[in-house]
Amino acid sequence: NAGVTQTPKFQVLKTGQSMTLQCAQDMNHNSMYWYRQDPGMGLRLIYYSASEGTTDKGEVPNGYNVSRLNKREFSLRLESAAPSQTSVYFCASSGQLSGLSGNTIYFGEGSWLTVV
Amino acid sequence: DQQVKQNSPSLSVQEGRISILNCDYTNSMFDYFLWYKKYPAEGPTFLISISSIKDKNEDGRFTVFLNKSAKHLSLHIVPSQPGDSAVYFCAARARGGKLIFGQGTELSVKP
Repeated sequence: NAGVTQTPKFQVLKTGQSMTLQCAQDMNHNSMYWYRQDPGMGLRLIYYSASEGTTDKGEVPNGYNVSRLNKREFSLRLESAAPSQTSVYFCASSGQLSGLSGNTIYFGEGSWLTVV
Repeated sequence: DQQVKQNSPSLSVQEGRISILNCDYTNSMFDYFLWYKKYPAEGPTFLISISSIKDKNEDGRFTVFLNKSAKHLSLHIVPSQPGDSAVYFCAARARGGKLIFGQGTELSVKP
C-alpha cells in the first residue's frame, strides 16, 4: 500500500532557484493538501485542493503555487526559493472535506527542503 | 494568530504512568478534533478523533476529552509505553474541512 507518495525526499536549493515537489495518492481521495512543518510552529497548511480542478490558499500560501494535475496528483512549486522556505513539506490526502467521518487525513513521509 | 495551541513543547513520563497532552483552541466553530502522532522522519499518522458534540472518546489506551466551554481538549494515554514516544499534534477541523494543527508536544516515555 503506497498511500501518499511525495518526491523528492531531500533537496538543497540556492536562493532564487525554482523547484516542484510532486505528490501522488492511490486511495482515490478527493482532497489533497500541502503542509509545512517548522520548529515551534506545528503543521501549517500552504494550499489545498478539495477536488480535482480546484485549489485554495491555506494559512501560508505566499511564495508557492500548486497544481491539481488530476485526481491522483497535487504538486507544489516554489518559483523563486528563499531561505525562509527551508522546511519539511508534507503532502496529504483525505476522502472528503466534509462529512461525519472526522476527516482522517493521510500524510506522506515528508520532503526535507533546504534553501541556501 | 494561532487558533490551535499546544503550550507544552515537551512532556516526560515514566513507563506505565499516565500521559496527558493538552490542547486549547479559540474558534468555537470547529466541529471535529483530532490527534496525530509523528515519529522522526515519518509523516504524521491519525490516532484518535472526537466530534464537537461529544465530550469523550476512547480507543484502547487512548482517550480524548473535550471541554467545549473551556475550549480545551486533552489526550490521555494509559498506561504509557516507550513506543508512545513521539510528537503529538492536535488538530481542529474548520469550516470547509481544513485541518488546523497545533505546534506539537514531544512525548518521551522513559522505561
